[in-house]
Amino acid sequence: AQSVAQPEDQVNVAEGNPLTVKCTYSVSGNPYLFWYVQYPNRGLQFLLKYITGDNLVKGSYGFEAEFNKSQTSFHLKKPSALVSDSALYFCAVNGYNFNKFYFGSGTKLNVKP
Amino acid sequence: DGGITQSPKYLFRKEGQNVTLSCEQNLNHDAMYWYRQDPGQGLRLIYYSQIVNDFQKGDIAEGYSVSREKKESFPLTVTSAQKNPTAFYLCASSIKTSGHTDTQYFGPGTRLTVL
Repeated sequence: AQSVAQPEDQVNVAEGNPLTVKCTYSVSGNPYLFWYVQYPNRGLQFLLKYITGDNLVKGSYGFEAEFNKSQTSFHLKKPSALVSDSALYFCAVNGYNFNKFYFGSGTKLNVKP
Repeated sequence: DGGITQSPKYLFRKEGQNVTLSCEQNLNHDAMYWYRQDPGQGLRLIYYSQIVNDFQKGDIAEGYSVSREKKESFPLTVTSAQKNPTAFYLCASSIKTSGHTDTQYFGPGTRLTVL
């Protein structure tokens, strides 16, 4: 079965500290992996994706994610958090010949001043 | 929110009414999707369409209907059969490359409330 897990409902971090939002996946074949961010009452915004190549992917707003095939993980990271990064983050996966995405349940990131 | 528009932003429905949510995209994407999001929850797929005049049920299609008469448009009707329709509805579109579905781009959403 195809699935995505975001094990933390909420992550709290102080402004200026590094942040990590975790994601693990289960999909047959080579996955396409994505991170999205959602601000209140808004649609999801695309942050970054992994398709192939370098395991470290850089995206918008200083975010990056590391693909780890052996651990089937795709954790989102940022070296220095901003208060404006506070939002809901979703991980998603798409497998070969899959016509739909599988989304995680979301992780709420709280960055405190 | 890219080239995807959803209207209206807020919608109120009385018991027993059907309502239609609009979704339009100018990205020339083949695939379009409808999701439902409830407070504190993730996204649940309602319907999706890979090409014009074809669509498939997602995980929670009961009480909903769609049409795909044009590539740019994928309206969602919430019927009176949907007993708990109060939620935030998101439309998305994507291209399909080399067997995978590439990045989905989302509209700004419609918040539906049952009175």
